[in-house]
Amino acid sequence: EDKVVQSPLSLVVHEGDTVTLNCSYEVTNFRSLLWYKQEKKAPTFLFMLTSSGIEKKSGRLSSILDKKELFSILNITATQTGDSAVYLCAVHTPLNYGGSQGNLIFGKGTKLSVKP
Amino acid sequence: DTGVSQDPRHKITKRGQNVTFRCDPISEHNRLYWYRQTLGQGPEFLTYFQNEAQLEKSRLLSDRFSAERPKGSFSTLEIQRTEQGDSAMYLCASSPRLGLAYNEQFFGPGTRLTVL
Repeated sequence: EDKVVQSPLSLVVHEGDTVTLNCSYEVTNFRSLLWYKQEKKAPTFLFMLTSSGIEKKSGRLSSILDKKELFSILNITATQTGDSAVYLCAVHTPLNYGGSQGNLIFGKGTKLSVKP
Repeated sequence: DTGVSQDPRHKITKRGQNVTFRCDPISEHNRLYWYRQTLGQGPEFLTYFQNEAQLEKSRLLSDRFSAERPKGSFSTLEIQRTEQGDSAMYLCASSPRLGLAYNEQFFGPGTRLTVL
């Protein structure tokens, strides 16, 4: 059965700390891995990763994928209270191998709390 | 606001009643997705449309659930004979078609269903 596992499930840090969030996966048909940030509403897109070893960066956030070991990490440096959210990892694995686009399998998320 | 919209935002119903949710995707997006999210879990894929065609359905989508996208624009998700276990946030997302490559899904604010 396809699955995505995130760790830790929750994390409490102080402003200025650096955090690393983990995502491991086991899927039959891997297309890409995505990170989303979810506050009290809908998930918002952060990164999409398809190739191993290529770091994606956006401000204080960065992410990298290891397709051999089947995991990804999301780093946040110099955390701020506004980074408090649930960070979701998802793997795109189409149900139909012919190229249809439907299926994202999400992990349970890591709840990050940044204290002032 | 040109994002994905969902209606209603909240729905409280009694067990056994039927409910219908609506999703209006971003206007130029021809792909539309439905997910369900319960507390402490990541979103779970339910179904996916490309234009008016329903191309993928998860095993989670029981016979009591039906989704339509009759004109390839807005979509409805109906749950018949609701059960308490149907209580969840129902998320809709849309994405443009860019060849066969995966592209970002934009999420709506969700409809929170409570079944009493």
